[in-house]
This record gives sequence, structure tokens and C-alpha cells, in this order.
Amino acid sequence: EAGVAQSPRYKIIEKRQSVAFWCNPISGHATLYWYQQILGQGPKLLIQFQNNGVVDDSQLPKDRFSAERLKGVDSTLKIQPAKLEDSAVYLCASSHRASYYGYTFGSGTRLTVV
Amino acid sequence: GQQLNQSPQSMFIQEGEDVSMNCTSSSIFNTWLWYKQDPGEGPVLLIALYKAGELTSNGRLTAQFGITRKDSFLNISASIPSDVGIYFCAGLYNNNDMRFGAGTRLTVKP
Repeated sequence: EAGVAQSPRYKIIEKRQSVAFWCNPISGHATLYWYQQILGQGPKLLIQFQNNGVVDDSQLPKDRFSAERLKGVDSTLKIQPAKLEDSAVYLCASSHRASYYGYTFGSGTRLTVV
Repeated sequence: GQQLNQSPQSMFIQEGEDVSMNCTSSSIFNTWLWYKQDPGEGPVLLIALYKAGELTSNGRLTAQFGITRKDSFLNISASIPSDVGIYFCAGLYNNNDMRFGAGTRLTVKP
């Protein structure tokens, strides 16, 4: 089966600019996650969707980050405006249900804010 | 929140040697997971542990869920060059809350 697709792979922006990342989960996976992975650290959950509804966004900096999952398939994560500390790899993952089992990560988008 | 302490931070070993890394927490987790991440890729699940005391193997990998539910270890036997990467432990507090350790960077010298 096809994996979790993410784009773009790399993005360089200036601080205060906006950026958006796209994720296409594995077909049929109802649960979608966005993680932030800062260099030298493990991934940190930003938001979890079940179909097109938000299950957990407690660690999402809502003053600048937003995410949506229209129609319960693709998802977009946006940062507006970006700060230097947002430089990280943004990973999308999906699973068949709200369970760790079958949790598949995409290759991520590496964001550099200068 | 639940914090995971993973050690060592990095390891440099010779091909053929065994490797051991561990993860501890001050909190109890219901599930422990071990992932491997190659450069430029997302983490890939290696082993999942579901109950305290469980010992599970996957080829040359063996992992255990600590009795106290606050720790786990991963062993790799007879390391090979393709074992190079970053290994992450992750603890699942509930189905919606998974926390990752900071990772162990493994280098294998041929």
C-alpha cells in the first residue's frame, strides 16, 4: 500500500512569513496526526484528527498554528506568522483507528525559518 | 506531563557488537514502543510492548516492558551497518497520548 505522503519535503522561509504543509494519509486511515520534531529531540504531538474532527490539539500553539482535515482525508498544517523556533521537521502520521498499532509516519517536511 | 528519559544519547560500536539502550519515566505508561528513524525519513515502528514484564523479540531486536511500567529497554544483537540510525522509545499513556524520548543515535563501525 502507498505510504503517508507529505509535501513539500523542504521549505525555507523568513520569520513572520506564512507556510503550509500538506499530508495525504494512507487510504482508509481514519486517524491523522501532526508531529513537530526539533533537531535532536523526539517527535512531539501537535494535533490529532479522527476523520475530520479534532481529538487532541492541546499542544498546538493556536496563536500561530492551525490545521484542518476537510472531508476526513487530506490535512493541511499552517503556521502564520512563523518564528525562528518553528524550525523543525513536521511529521504526519496516520492509523486505521485511534491506536498506536499501524501508526505510519510520512517522511516529513523540513522547515527552516531564517 | 509525562517525560521520557532515554539513554544513552549516542553510541559508537563495532559491527558485530551487541547494543543496549533504555528509557525511563516518572510516570506509568500502558504501552511502550520502540521506533527507528533513518535520516530524512519518519520513524518506523520496531517493537510494541503491551503489558508489564513482557519480553518481545523481532529478529535481532529484543525489548522489554518494565515491571513497574515506568521503563523499557531495547537490545540489538550482533549489530550490522544498517542498524545505524536514531532509536526512539515512546510511551503510550492512553490511545491519544504518545510521548517520545529524545532518541539514541547509533553508529556502527564496519
